[in-house]
Amino acid sequence: EVSLVESGGGLVQPGGSLRLSCAASGFTFINYAMSWVRQPPGRGLEWVSVISGPGGTTSYADSVKGRLTISRDNSKNTLSLQMNSLRAEDTATYYCVKDIGYGSWGRGTLVIVSS
Amino acid sequence: EIVLTQSPATLSLSPGERATLSCRASQSVSNYLAWYQQKPGQAPRLLIYEASYRATGIPARFSGSGSGTDFTLTISSLEPEDFGVYYCQQRGNWPVTFGQGTRLEIK
Repeated sequence: EVSLVESGGGLVQPGGSLRLSCAASGFTFINYAMSWVRQPPGRGLEWVSVISGPGGTTSYADSVKGRLTISRDNSKNTLSLQMNSLRAEDTATYYCVKDIGYGSWGRGTLVIVSS
Repeated sequence: EIVLTQSPATLSLSPGERATLSCRASQSVSNYLAWYQQKPGQAPRLLIYEASYRATGIPARFSGSGSGTDFTLTISSLEPEDFGVYYCQQRGNWPVTFGQGTRLEIK
């Protein structure tokens, strides 16, 4: 059974940094592109970033380009999101998603950017 | 980027009734459209992929149709547990985009 478990969320001040992780199990991790999707409290869904299975190709939403960096460690079945220069508008639940449009979602981790 | 417009914004129906949710794309996404259900405090759950294929474990009362720019999610006979917000999502043209959601309320 596919399992995706996010961690690393919390309260951070504007301009600060945070690193999210997603532990994956139940499937051959390297075979699938992985995405991060976020959802501000009480609002809709926004795709953030995607990384190819081997990890050589990445893409970002314009709203996070240059501030957030996606990466993966296929030896540890782990997906990461390094978040720098955080803004209030980055406040959201961040979901780890397997093969978006086809696969499973994690339960999410909440990031709050506030002073 | 492709804009997905969902209608109606809110739907209020009784158990046993048929629900029809619409998703319209600003340009063709072929059949690369998915539907999700989200309940409060939970992650979205994949219902339909590639416009018309039910995801694993999804009841047969859920069906999807359409291609190009116009898509429909139909729930043939509503159950009380079908309340929630329904989102469409396309991956036919990157970046991936989502509709704004349809809230389904059960009377």
